[in-house]
Amino acid sequence: EAGVTQSPTHLIKTRGQQATLRCSPISGHTSVYWYQQALGLGLQFLLWYDEGEERNRGNFPPRFSGRQFPNYSSELNVNALELEDSALYLCASSSIRTSHYEQYFGPGTRLTVT
Amino acid sequence: QKEVEQDPGPLSVPEGAIVSLNCTYSNSAFQYFMWYRQYSRKGPELLMYTYSSGNKEDGRFTAQVDKSSKYISLFIRDSQPSDSATYLCAMSFTGANSKLTFGKGITLSVRP
Repeated sequence: EAGVTQSPTHLIKTRGQQATLRCSPISGHTSVYWYQQALGLGLQFLLWYDEGEERNRGNFPPRFSGRQFPNYSSELNVNALELEDSALYLCASSSIRTSHYEQYFGPGTRLTVT
Repeated sequence: QKEVEQDPGPLSVPEGAIVSLNCTYSNSAFQYFMWYRQYSRKGPELLMYTYSSGNKEDGRFTAQVDKSSKYISLFIRDSQPSDSATYLCAMSFTGANSKLTFGKGITLSVRP
């Protein structure tokens, strides 16, 4: 069974630009979660999508947004990039059977803002 | 006070040692308690989860939850160099739309 995949692996952007990160969940999983893992801050919850709808949102500004497609893959968009957005962005998925606490993570996208 | 606090480490132990990793939390409404392991340059992987209080054992790993003290622990017996990783505790409420709240993680190094 293929795990959660994320693309790209690395992304380098300059301040003010937009970044788009992509995630494909494990087959059969309907929920996708996005986290930011910045140095010294641990994993911070960003967004949760299930069945195409946003279910929960972390304490991040509106320039962090996303969507979930009919095939359950997801996209995270970060507008007006700031230096402090540099971090590892992790995507996780879960199924309705295993529930929200059993999340399977992808390898992440390393975003560097210069 | 942060919702979930985890000893920052790092922690270095010799091979074969018993390792104790701990987290404290402030919100008594947390009901699910998880431990994730994250190897360098990889995403976290779920090691164990516990619902409410009690102990759970899986091979060399034991997870313990003490809700009265708002304290959770992960014990690793007979630690191996392959256990060297960052360990993150996480917790959530019951109910729909509950999110996971993570500790900052502790980096463990097991010396051969």
